[in-house]
Amino acid sequence: QVKLQESGPGLVQPSDTLSLSCDVSGYSIADDIWWGWVRQPPGKGLEWIGYSHHAGATHYNPSLWGRVAVSVDTITRQVSLSLDSATGADTAVYYCVRYTVTLRHFDDWGRGTLVTVSS
Amino acid sequence: DIVLTQSPLSLPVTPGAPASISCKSSQGLQNSNGKHCLDWYLQKPGQSPQLLIYFASYRASGVPDRFSGSGSGTDFTLRISRVEAEDVGVYYCMQAVENPITFGQGTRLEIK
Repeated sequence: QVKLQESGPGLVQPSDTLSLSCDVSGYSIADDIWWGWVRQPPGKGLEWIGYSHHAGATHYNPSLWGRVAVSVDTITRQVSLSLDSATGADTAVYYCVRYTVTLRHFDDWGRGTLVTVSS
Repeated sequence: DIVLTQSPLSLPVTPGAPASISCKSSQGLQNSNGKHCLDWYLQKPGQSPQLLIYFASYRASGVPDRFSGSGSGTDFTLRISRVEAEDVGVYYCMQAVENPITFGQGTRLEIK
């Protein structure tokens, strides 16, 4: 059974970097799978952030281009998210996801972690 | 970006009655393999979204057969044959034919 567990600071100062980690268990992180992030502002809908393959390829939402980085570490079995220059608009629940590109869907989601950007 | 428009946005349903949700895309969602890259997810209250339907009409593992998906081109529909109390939540359609992946606004299903 795949388990994705997000972790990171719940409060980030404006203009700082928002950094989150996701521990992956129950699945080989080095398989031909993409790992990424989706976020949901409080009371709003879902927004795809981006995903990464363990071999290094990445795809990001152009709305976040230049600020975002997603990486996969096969040693620590973690997926990381880094979002620079955070603003209040980045306040959201951040979900770690497993994406099967051949089937074009998100198979598994973490429980999510709320990050608030505020001083 | 591909825009997905769901309707209705709110759906009150009597237990045992059928329900349907529409998802209209701003452009076609068929990939080079002929599959329509349209998924449906359900986000139950306080939970993460869960996959219901992929490639427009394929039920995900463990999804009850009262859920079905259909459609082609730019028009897609999720149907629930007999709504149960556990089906409450927000339903999202999602397209993955091209990046950026985008979601519909969500449809909130509630029990009357």
